[in-house]
Amino acid sequence: GAGVSQSPRYKVAKRGQDVALRCDPISGHVSLFWYQQALGQGPEFLTYFQNEAQLDKSGLPSDRFFAERPEGSVSTLKIQRTQQEDSAVYLCASSLARATDTQYFGPGTRLTVL
Amino acid sequence: AQTVTQSQPEMSVQEAETVTLSCTYDTSESDYYLFWYKQPPSRQMILVIRQEAYKQQNATENRFSVNFQKAAKSFSLKISDSQLGDAAMYFCAYRSPSNDYKLSFGAGTTVTVRA
Repeated sequence: GAGVSQSPRYKVAKRGQDVALRCDPISGHVSLFWYQQALGQGPEFLTYFQNEAQLDKSGLPSDRFFAERPEGSVSTLKIQRTQQEDSAVYLCASSLARATDTQYFGPGTRLTVL
Repeated sequence: AQTVTQSQPEMSVQEAETVTLSCTYDTSESDYYLFWYKQPPSRQMILVIRQEAYKQQNATENRFSVNFQKAAKSFSLKISDSQLGDAAMYFCAYRSPSNDYKLSFGAGTTVTVRA
């Protein structure tokens, strides 16, 4: 594909529901990142993958957040038992090599927890 | 952790004129990377310009240029000949070579362009 794609673009969940957000990085990109962007704020780092290995998950806000990239391509960010404070835009980015290259962002998934 | 500060929540500019967005950062490192990203209402974050701290020359990309003042830890973005399509939120971001994947973003500046 031409760029990073994310699905769904919008997600509304009731508090307590589990959600799964998908990211398709640019083909061939080794590094993949997830960021959380609260309304009117800059993105905050969540986690980083190099191929299928999750090298840093220090930004995940709680153990309700889980990310995976089992085959080193598509990644899924899962949030269990969603809370209202989880409402945000979740951005995925990928880069070509060891993350020293430019990060290319997807359009994001806007999650609203009611 | 690095802190990136954008002190201007909003800026307005007349079409064809110039606007400068400010960014300061806090770091103890001597080598690092700085970025300006543009996020239009569609929300796709796009890289505008990047600067390596070891380079003294200010980066330029067409109508976009930076004023990098390393000693002052300042990294401002100048948009010349502003166009309606420049309207967006602009984020300043920092990346450390010792932690070379995380981007630390400022809170952003919303730029509106008046026709």
